[in-house]
Amino acid sequence: GQQLNQSPQSMFIQEGEDVSMNCTSSSIFNTWLWYKQEPGEGPVLLIALYKAGELTSNGRLTAQFGITRKDSFLNISASIPSDVGIYFCAGRLTAGGTSYGKLTFGQGTILTVHP
Amino acid sequence: EAGVTQFPSHSVIEKGQTVTLRCDPISGHDNLYWYRRVMGKEIKFLLHFVKESKQDESGMPNNRFLAERTGGTYSTLKVQPAELEDSGVYFCASSQDRGIGYGYTFGSGTRLTVV
Repeated sequence: GQQLNQSPQSMFIQEGEDVSMNCTSSSIFNTWLWYKQEPGEGPVLLIALYKAGELTSNGRLTAQFGITRKDSFLNISASIPSDVGIYFCAGRLTAGGTSYGKLTFGQGTILTVHP
Repeated sequence: EAGVTQFPSHSVIEKGQTVTLRCDPISGHDNLYWYRRVMGKEIKFLLHFVKESKQDESGMPNNRFLAERTGGTYSTLKVQPAELEDSGVYFCASSQDRGIGYGYTFGSGTRLTVV
């Protein structure tokens, strides 16, 4: 089945540094999503990408949908302590058919920000 | 509006016992999804309801898992009998339509520990 390889697995950075993480797949996805999970909470959507090559920003977050539709990256600029959490990429194969509800997730990137 | 609510937040049961997890989606959301994250791994799709019908149950691991959504409102996920490998965090999510535009809203999850 589809599999997303997310890297890095974890990051330890100083407040103010920029962060970059990415996901790659052997399969093509039509939608890429980036989620953040904080302790005791469910994943919260950060950015959604719908077109190959699309570059989208949400505050200090920027994400891109790769041209090949097999990869995506998320950048966080000028990190702050509240950026701490687990970041997940997720891909959706199709917006139609019976499986439109199925998201394939990466393994997650654990981000720690030192003040 | 109230978010996706899951109950219980934690459950510890012995191998061979039965556990029932409940999910209350956001009011008016026809689409309800169940996902699971086994420790340290990716979040995996289990199944998807549209109203009371199972749209896609391709991710259900085996017949020890039974999901229902009677009346198209809340959903339950029963594990019977539970095995050690069923331990993990079970997430429920919901969306009003096919989730295009804002992804899915996740609940905080139920952490299941089978001992």
